[in-house]
Amino acid sequence: KQEVTQIPAALSVPEGENLVLNCSFTDSAIYNLQWFRQDPGKGLTSLLLIQSSQREQTSGRLNASLDKSSGRSTLYIAASQPGDSATYLCAVLGGDYNNNDMRFGAGTRLTVKP
Amino acid sequence: DTEVTQTPKHLVMGMTNKKSLKCEQHMGHRAMYWYKQKAKKPPELMFVYSYEKLSINESVPSRFSPECPNSSLLNLHLHALQPEDSALYLCASSQDGTDRVTEAFFGQGTRLTVV
Repeated sequence: KQEVTQIPAALSVPEGENLVLNCSFTDSAIYNLQWFRQDPGKGLTSLLLIQSSQREQTSGRLNASLDKSSGRSTLYIAASQPGDSATYLCAVLGGDYNNNDMRFGAGTRLTVKP
Repeated sequence: DTEVTQTPKHLVMGMTNKKSLKCEQHMGHRAMYWYKQKAKKPPELMFVYSYEKLSINESVPSRFSPECPNSSLLNLHLHALQPEDSALYLCASSQDGTDRVTEAFFGQGTRLTVV
């Protein structure tokens, strides 16, 4: 089954910094990869979806890349703000196990200090 | 409308109670998911329904019983739970994976406490 790893587990940066969150997965036969944000005690908010045929997606200050063959994705956050503080989760969909298998990494807990 | 609605938002139940969690979406999605999330941990996949048929069951104890009565609704029936089952239960939906262009949307979750 798919294994998803996220590095770093936690990150604390001053406001205004650019930062990179990393996600890796073991089974490259994925359909897509999705980045989510989760605030404490809340549900997940979808940030970006990258289909398996794509290499990059952008939304505002967020940019996500996908290198399917090497099993890696990065989420780039530009000019970080205190409101970006949350846990960021990557999830991969599909693989040899099941078309609807959606697995999560453990997340990166981001704190942006004013 | 990209909303997935879960009810109730909070639930406290005794170990001998029977209760149900509900999830609803009106996006025409044909894959629906239940996840369990403990504090400071990622969501763990429990069940997946595809076209109203159980597609994945991650060896979840039988005290959790999923049901998909139609393409818009997903239930999770709870019976004889243990205190360690206390967690945030998340529902999600997406187009079926065979379509490959599938963005998943999550509800806000049900915070379950077993006493």
